[in-house]
Amino acid sequence: DAGVIQSPRHEVTEMGQEVTLRCKPISGHDYLFWYRQTMMRGLELLIYFNNNVPIDDSGMPEDRFSAKMPNASFSTLKIQPSEPRDSAVYFCASTSGGYGYTFGSGTRLTVV
Amino acid sequence: AQSVSQHNHHVILSEAASLELGCNYSYGGTVNLFWYVQYPGQHLQLLLKYFSGDPLVKGIKGFEAEFIKSKFSFNLRKPSVQWSDTAEYFCAVNPEAGTALIFGKGTTLSVSS
Repeated sequence: DAGVIQSPRHEVTEMGQEVTLRCKPISGHDYLFWYRQTMMRGLELLIYFNNNVPIDDSGMPEDRFSAKMPNASFSTLKIQPSEPRDSAVYFCASTSGGYGYTFGSGTRLTVV
Repeated sequence: AQSVSQHNHHVILSEAASLELGCNYSYGGTVNLFWYVQYPGQHLQLLLKYFSGDPLVKGIKGFEAEFIKSKFSFNLRKPSVQWSDTAEYFCAVNPEAGTALIFGKGTTLSVSS
């Protein structure tokens, strides 16, 4: 199993640009989570899906953030427009049945 | 709201020293408990987990944790740390299946050789 695959690994973009982060969960996993990690705030849950349906998006910072899961094998997290304070490491995780998550390698986003 | 507290922000130990990292959670019901490790520049990896049964849980790399329900605690231990254990350690709670993991702020462990 290739694990949870995220792309890109690193992204540097200018303020105001659109950023799209991608995640491929482990095949057969029915839950997918997006977390953001910063030094100041630690690991924050942004949104999670169950069977491709968003269950809780209360952690999404503001309307600039959106997430989709068009099918069981793919999810995107989009920031438009991006701001410097969005700089963080974004992790995707998946699980089957809701217990014990497998994390991807993360996307390190830098907005300048 | 549920929360997880990790009391030690940064722990510095010499090799072969014993380790105990504290974790307390606030949730009155049945919980599932986890410890994750994040080595520098890497993603989170599961160290161990507790769902039910024996409150002393053994994980990978010689780590163990003890669930004490009366204290709402799930402390991580290792009898003898190695330089390679230098990493950040996260305690997490999953109040029930199908809900998101709630993480503590993490504890940075630095082990000197």
